[in-house]
Amino acid sequence: AQSVTQPDIHITVSEGASLELRCNYSYGATPYLFWYVQSPGQGLQLLLKYFSGDTLVQGIKGFEAEFKRSQSSFNLRKPSVHWSDAAEYFCAVGAANFGNEKLTFGTGTRLTIIP
Amino acid sequence: EAQVTQNPRYLITVTGKKLTVTCSQNMNHEYMSWYRQDPGLGLRQIYYSMNVEVTDKGDVPEGYKVSRKEKRNFPLILESPSPNQTSLYFCASSLGGGANYGYTFGSGTRLTVV
Repeated sequence: AQSVTQPDIHITVSEGASLELRCNYSYGATPYLFWYVQSPGQGLQLLLKYFSGDTLVQGIKGFEAEFKRSQSSFNLRKPSVHWSDAAEYFCAVGAANFGNEKLTFGTGTRLTIIP
Repeated sequence: EAQVTQNPRYLITVTGKKLTVTCSQNMNHEYMSWYRQDPGLGLRQIYYSMNVEVTDKGDVPEGYKVSRKEKRNFPLILESPSPNQTSLYFCASSLGGGANYGYTFGSGTRLTVV
C-alpha cells in the first residue's frame, strides 16, 4: 500500500525567503504525485501534479516540485514566499488500484509567514 | 464555474440522529470520493464511486453509507452518528484516467456529533 510522510508539522519562514516543504512517499510502481494547499476554512486546491516525464514540475502561485525517484521524494519549493502563502500543505500519492483513483495524503505541513 | 458543492458547511447533531451530507459536481466527472480530515492524520478516504451505481469502501468506511444514483450527486449518509465521527469532511470528483487523475475538492463540511 502507498504511504506519504511529511516530516515537518509546522514551518515558519520570513516573507520573501525561500521555502522547501519535504515529502517522501512509498509506492511500488511509478507514482502519481500531488501537492495541495488548504487555506484556513477552505477546501483543498491543487498546486501541481507529477505523472511522468520532466521531473521538475511547475505549478500555480509560483510553486514547483522535483520528483526524485532515488530518494522517493517530491519536495515543494518556492523561491520567495508571500504572506498569502500561509496555509496548510498536503502531499499526496495516487494509485489507480482496481479503478479506485485514491489519493493517500500525508499529515500536512502548516506554513506560517512572518513579516 | 466548475465546482464541487457540499452542504451543509457546518452541522452540529446529537448521537444517533441520522444525517445526510450532500455533494454535487457540475463537471460530468466519473469518479467521486469522500474523505475525512482529522488533526495529525491528514485526509483519509471513506468511500468512492467510479460511476453511477458503482461504489466501494475506502480506508475508513465504518459508520458511513453512500449512494450514486446520478452522475453528479454523491451523498454521504451517517445512519447513527457517534462522537468519533466528529470531523471535517470533503467530497471530491475527478475526470479520471492517466493525466486526468487528480481530484477537485469541495469546501468541506465540519460535523460535530455531541
